[in-house]
Amino acid sequence: GENVEQHPSTLSVQEGDSAVIKCTYSDSASNYFPWYKQELGKGPQLIIDIRSNVGEKKDQRIAVTLNKTAKHFSLHITETQPEDSAVYFCAASSLMDSNYQLIWGAGTKLIIKP
Amino acid sequence: NAGVTQTPKFRVLKTGQSMTLLCAQDMNHEYMYWYRQDPGMGLRLIHYSVGEGTTAKGEVPDGYNVSRLKKQNFLLGLESAAPSQTSVYFCASSRGYNTEAFFGQGTRLTVV
Repeated sequence: GENVEQHPSTLSVQEGDSAVIKCTYSDSASNYFPWYKQELGKGPQLIIDIRSNVGEKKDQRIAVTLNKTAKHFSLHITETQPEDSAVYFCAASSLMDSNYQLIWGAGTKLIIKP
Repeated sequence: NAGVTQTPKFRVLKTGQSMTLLCAQDMNHEYMYWYRQDPGMGLRLIHYSVGEGTTAKGEVPDGYNVSRLKKQNFLLGLESAAPSQTSVYFCASSRGYNTEAFFGQGTRLTVV
């Protein structure tokens, strides 16, 4: 089955700098790769996603890149702000019993230092 | 528009007790999910449903049962609680597969 590895587990960056979080996946049939942000005491919330027919997607300060050959995808946050502090999760779709379901990475705690 | 609502938000159970977690969504979504979240392990799918009256097993279904009698509700039952089921439980819903999932606020369950 699908396995998703996420690195680093904790990332501390200076406010205004960029942050990059990387994920690898094992199932070459995976075709959907979302990124979720989880603030303390809340459920995860989608911030950006990418499908396997696209190599890169950008939404203001957030971008995601996908390398299907290497089976990895990355989240890029530029000009980081204090409100970017949260836990970020990547996920990859996997076919389970005729239905696509998400397999999640372990999460990255992003700390923005003022 | 409340989105996804989970009840209760906190619960302490004794080993061997049973309980039901309720999830309700008001977005007319077909798909609903129950996840558990443990430190350092991300989210793991317990059970899911692709429509009213249907349920299916996820990655970690043992010790749990679910029902989806109404499209807007998805219930998660613990038959005989064990300390290993201490976790934060999240319900989510989505329009279909490979689409945005909307999550509830979570239920923190402690089994002593």
